[in-house]
Amino acid sequence: EAQVTQNPRYLITVTGKKLTVTCSQNMNHEYMSWYRQDPGLGLRQIYYSMNVEVTDKGDVPEGYKVSRKEKRNFPLILESPSPNQTSLYFCASSVGGYSEAFFGQGTRLTVV
Amino acid sequence: QKEVEQNSGPLSVPEGAIASLNCTYSDRGSQSFFWYRQYSGKSPELIMFIYSNGDKEDGRFTAQLNKASQYVSLLIRDSQPSDSATYLCAVNTNAGKSTFGDGTTLTVKP
Repeated sequence: EAQVTQNPRYLITVTGKKLTVTCSQNMNHEYMSWYRQDPGLGLRQIYYSMNVEVTDKGDVPEGYKVSRKEKRNFPLILESPSPNQTSLYFCASSVGGYSEAFFGQGTRLTVV
Repeated sequence: QKEVEQNSGPLSVPEGAIASLNCTYSDRGSQSFFWYRQYSGKSPELIMFIYSNGDKEDGRFTAQLNKASQYVSLLIRDSQPSDSATYLCAVNTNAGKSTFGDGTTLTVKP
């Protein structure tokens, strides 16, 4: 089954404790992206990657890091999480930056 | 001004009516346009995409794009209660940047 898999689905952590949210896709897509969704604000793009070893900042990259060492995986790293990073996070993949996105199930992150 | 703006909701229509959702964007370099549906607590899922000016129809859904006016819309004909959801407009540039609107919540009343 074609899918984008995020882990974990739910995470509660404390301020400053480094964490990684994993994202994997099995569709051989070139493009992957991370979004955060806050109430009333739609989805805001954090980082995206057009291909392996190519990443670019989206609209809200501060406080986040990503890497794209292999095509199928695109982890999101929070080196020092803060409460304002409490949000619902979605990973997505697509054939290219111009095409429709397939979303993962979402990760609800709470930073206390 | 937001890069992608959607008509403020919530929008409520009776079952069987036409629901009209609108979206404007500011980046003239935008190349591809999408409508996603998101049920509460779920991931967005694609409803329609459109790349060229004009209308594109798929079943009960019609997407309309006017690049000169920087406007894209979604019409839902014969609205059903199962169409009740938040609809997200998304605009992509060829460079991969993807911008979403804040969403319009649609309620279809039986």
